[in-house]
Amino acid sequence: EIVLTQSPDFQSVTPKEKVTITCRASQSIGSSLHWYQQKPDQSPKLLIKYASQSISGVPSRFSGSGSGTDFTLTINSLEAEDAAAYYCHQSSSLPPYTFGQGTKLEIK
Amino acid sequence: EVQLVESGGGLVKPGGSLRLSCAASGFTFSSYSMNWVRQAPGKGLEWVSSISSSSSYIYYADSVKGRFTISRDNAKNSLYLQMNSLRAEDTAVYYCARDSAMANWGQGTLVTVSS
Repeated sequence: EIVLTQSPDFQSVTPKEKVTITCRASQSIGSSLHWYQQKPDQSPKLLIKYASQSISGVPSRFSGSGSGTDFTLTINSLEAEDAAAYYCHQSSSLPPYTFGQGTKLEIK
Repeated sequence: EVQLVESGGGLVKPGGSLRLSCAASGFTFSSYSMNWVRQAPGKGLEWVSSISSSSSYIYYADSVKGRFTISRDNAKNSLYLQMNSLRAEDTAVYYCARDSAMANWGQGTLVTVSS
């Protein structure tokens, strides 16, 4: 099973700051890495698919990069509405699929 | 607009059974693989099961293998999860999600396993 490790687990940031969340895979997964945002009492929402592909309707301040085992989600110019938990997920090869443990983003 | 609507959750005693449903609309259901993902209270996301578009390939997490059964009815645009021998640790919100990138999610249905 491929293990995904996110860092940090928690981050408290101020509006307009740049935020970087990383996701490291226990083995190479190519670009089969996706990022989700989950606000309290809501379903997860896809932000970035296949490491760097943007999703229609997602603000352009969200971007992704990486391949192999190391991936990054970047939020430029953070807004108050970005307070949420963020998860990475891998769909490399066959299941089992796995998720990172999550990163909780708090806005100061 | 893609819509996924889960139903069938509720309170069940340990050892009991439940059948979850996910009604899909707004896309060609028969062309996409589908997944069940769960989230225990206050915890992260856990992949549960996946089924290919034609039901040819089915996969389960070790934690549910032998107890849960995923299925789909492409004529009814519906996905199902039959859950047997339920345990307290199966308590969670269960989501259905479209394709391997989990591009779309339902609102979830809460399953509570308690005596």
